[in-house]
Amino acid sequence: GDSVTQMEGPVTLSEEAFLTINCTYTATGYPSLFWYVQYPGEGLQLLLKATKADDKGSNKGFEATYRKETTSFHLEKGSVQVSDSAVYFCALTAPSWVFGQGTRLTINP
Amino acid sequence: GAVVSQHPSRVICKSGTSVKIECRSLDFQATTMFWYRQFPKQSLMLMATSNEGSKATYEQGVEKDKFLINHASLTLSTLTVTSAHPEDSSFYICSAQAGVAGHEQFFGPGTRLTVL
Repeated sequence: GDSVTQMEGPVTLSEEAFLTINCTYTATGYPSLFWYVQYPGEGLQLLLKATKADDKGSNKGFEATYRKETTSFHLEKGSVQVSDSAVYFCALTAPSWVFGQGTRLTINP
Repeated sequence: GAVVSQHPSRVICKSGTSVKIECRSLDFQATTMFWYRQFPKQSLMLMATSNEGSKATYEQGVEKDKFLINHASLTLSTLTVTSAHPEDSSFYICSAQAGVAGHEQFFGPGTRLTVL
């Protein structure tokens, strides 16, 4: 079946560091890909999405590009802030939904 | 943007009692609603998927008689944890999806259930 594999956390970085959280997927169809973010004590919020190959999703300085050839959707940010500390989930729908296990990110000042 | 609310945000109950959690889509009609359980180490487990007016589809290993789901309207779904026990203590999150498959899910803020 379809699956999503995320980089295992936790990830700890200093403020202004470059961030990459890896996400790869397997899907029999043509999935849409998503990154969701969960701040402490809250539900998940959509961070960005891409619906077809080579699309780039972006929001709040985060970016991810839908790479069909490598079946990847890695999340990147050039300069992280303390407020980016959260759990990040990669997900796909094709059309059933599959979520990755989440990656906890902590940014230290 | 689309907003999904959950009520209550926190509930503490005694073992053996039942607890109902409501999930509402406030500004859109949700053709599909999902219920998740989130464990302490953050992993998100899909419990069931429900479509308005039809029976919920439960994931393997989820007891349908224990976790009753009712999707009575296009804006409301409820999860009832029947005869709750301490091992049911968890963070329960609902989400709603509008329109065709592939459209994003909008998540509620979650409900923290503690069973004493």
